Amino acid sequence: GEQVEQRPPHLSVPEGDSAVIICTYTDSATAYFYWYKQEPGAGLQLLMSVFSNVDRKEEQGLTVLLNKKDKQLSLNLTAAHPGDSAVYFCAVSHYGNEKITFGAGTKLTIKP
Amino acid sequence: DPKIIQKPKYLVAVTGSEKILICEQYLGHNAMYWYRQSAKKPLEFMFSYSYQKLMDNQTASSRFQPQSSKKNHLDLQITALKPDDSATYFCASSQDGQANTEVFFGKGTRLTVV
Repeated sequence: GEQVEQRPPHLSVPEGDSAVIICTYTDSATAYFYWYKQEPGAGLQLLMSVFSNVDRKEEQGLTVLLNKKDKQLSLNLTAAHPGDSAVYFCAVSHYGNEKITFGAGTKLTIKP
Repeated sequence: DPKIIQKPKYLVAVTGSEKILICEQYLGHNAMYWYRQSAKKPLEFMFSYSYQKLMDNQTASSRFQPQSSKKNHLDLQITALKPDDSATYFCASSQDGQANTEVFFGKGTRLTVV
């Protein structure tokens, strides 16, 4: 079945810097790609979703890049601030299948 | 106001006992799900229901039984609890069971089995 590897598991960056999280997936039939944010004691918040025909998507300081050739998905947070501190998860799903497969998560800490 | 309500927030259970995790959603969604997050594994898909019918079951053990008494309810009954069942269980929902419809997650029930 689909496997999603996420790195790094922990990431600490100074406020104002950029943070990059990378995921690789195994199934070339993967069609939908997601990034979720989880704050302590909270559920998962969907940050962005992209379909496989999109290589790049930007929204509110977040950039998602999709490299289908290398089966790689990345999230770039620009100008990070302390409120961005959380655990971030990449996730994927297939056509006609609502099951979401998650990466292991990246704990992001933004240092003031 | 939270639109997906999970109860209880924290739960401690004795090995061998049975517990029910409650989930209600007020988003008008037709599909509901259970996911599990443990210390040893990433978030794992467990079940999906659409219009109160089981669509997918990725849980190997029959000790885990979803129960849908109403369209907006999907409870999770766990029997013969084991310490390895300790995890945070997330309920989720989406408009329908199709991929790429946004899935909304509850805040989870943190289960500890002692």
